[in-house]
Amino acid sequence: DGGITQSPKYLFRKEGQNVTLSCEQNLNHDAMYWYRQDPGQGLRLIYYSQIVNDFQKGDIAEGYSVSREKKESFPLTVTSAQKNPTAFYLCASSIADGELFFGEGSRLTVL
Amino acid sequence: AQSVTQPDIHITVSEGASLELRCNYSYGATPYLFWYVQSPGQGLQLLLKYFSGDTLVQGIKGFEAEFKRSQSSFNLRKPSVHWSDAAEYFCAVGNTGFQKLVFGTGTRLLVSP
Repeated sequence: DGGITQSPKYLFRKEGQNVTLSCEQNLNHDAMYWYRQDPGQGLRLIYYSQIVNDFQKGDIAEGYSVSREKKESFPLTVTSAQKNPTAFYLCASSIADGELFFGEGSRLTVL
Repeated sequence: AQSVTQPDIHITVSEGASLELRCNYSYGATPYLFWYVQSPGQGLQLLLKYFSGDTLVQGIKGFEAEFKRSQSSFNLRKPSVHWSDAAEYFCAVGNTGFQKLVFGTGTRLLVSP
């Protein structure tokens, strides 16, 4: 079945460490997105990519980095520069003029 | 700038009763509008979407929404709520092309027996 796979589902990080969240899709979608979800704040866009080897900052990109080397993959790195990284992270993909399809999410906790 | 307001943080509805979740948006052109549902610890599932045409949109699980341009609203409705509908509901607005959606803060639905 086609879909979006995020891993790991749960991740713990110590202060000062970088961590990378994986997102893979087999829907053949051109665009991929990363959102951050915090209680009471809805979803906020971190980065998005409309094509391989190209990506743009969203509303809260500081402290995060991404790459898009393959159409199927859009990993997100949470760097030590992100001051408050504990959150639920959601990856999504879409075609043009289409809705977003979401993965199951990754919960990052800073110890 | 685009924005979405969901004025109700929590709503409690009795099982079998009707439901309406409110969504107001701010957008300069004709918006693309979406309703998503999220169960705890899960991703978001699309309930329905409005791009153009008939302003009353039918979705999955018996949900419907009506686009009212004059009121900048896209309220979600269901005639009879089931206990399994308890979840968080998000309204979102986008544009043509690739959807950099702007989400509301969500409404948590509780269903009482």
